[in-house]
Amino acid sequence: DADVTQTPRNRITKTGKRIMLECSQTKGHDRMYWYRQDPGLGLRLIYYSFDVKDINKGEISDGYSVSRQAQAKFSLSLESAIPNQTALYFCATSELAGGPTEQFFGPGTRLTVL
Amino acid sequence: QKEVEQDPGPLSVPEGAIVSLNCTYSNSAFQYFMWYRQYSRKGPELLMYTYSSGNKEDGRFTAQVDKSSKYISLFIRDSQPSDSATYLCAIGASGGNQFYFGTGTSLTVIP
Repeated sequence: DADVTQTPRNRITKTGKRIMLECSQTKGHDRMYWYRQDPGLGLRLIYYSFDVKDINKGEISDGYSVSRQAQAKFSLSLESAIPNQTALYFCATSELAGGPTEQFFGPGTRLTVL
Repeated sequence: QKEVEQDPGPLSVPEGAIVSLNCTYSNSAFQYFMWYRQYSRKGPELLMYTYSSGNKEDGRFTAQVDKSSKYISLFIRDSQPSDSATYLCAIGASGGNQFYFGTGTSLTVIP
């Protein structure tokens, strides 16, 4: 079984709809991240969480919100989806350490907003 | 200015060639350097991790860091079709909480 899972894997929605992307992990890591990947722009950090009570904005948090329901679960919401949020979304986890450590990525969710 | 810049490619080489992938970064505070490999329709996976200047080898892969020039490279020797993927560099700072990723270079190794 995969250590980091994301649901759904693909989603097509319409402008203005509320969307939730879910991430679960069995690695026992404290840190979790949400990224979006766009051609020519690479991976950009949306939000990150270092434990259940810790939520931090990343580079591009506008239009997104997150919820850390448990150590193993981290959800990303688009309250009112717009077409430029069409992208590939990745969840990632890493261990708690003094500095940056390896991040383990999920398989991604391909989101299309029409 | 972006924290890290990466040659966009795409890069297409014959099997057996030596491949060089490069990134530059802007802040000398960055001390942690990673290379991730991402196959089509998959999430990135860590390939190499280093935090010092110089070379680090792992099989056919060599990661090179030049902190004085703020330049990092990944070399692939005897490239194979299975190396066809997108390669992303990532850099982080000591005491920092996140990595900054390059835009990725798409590599195709032709049999």
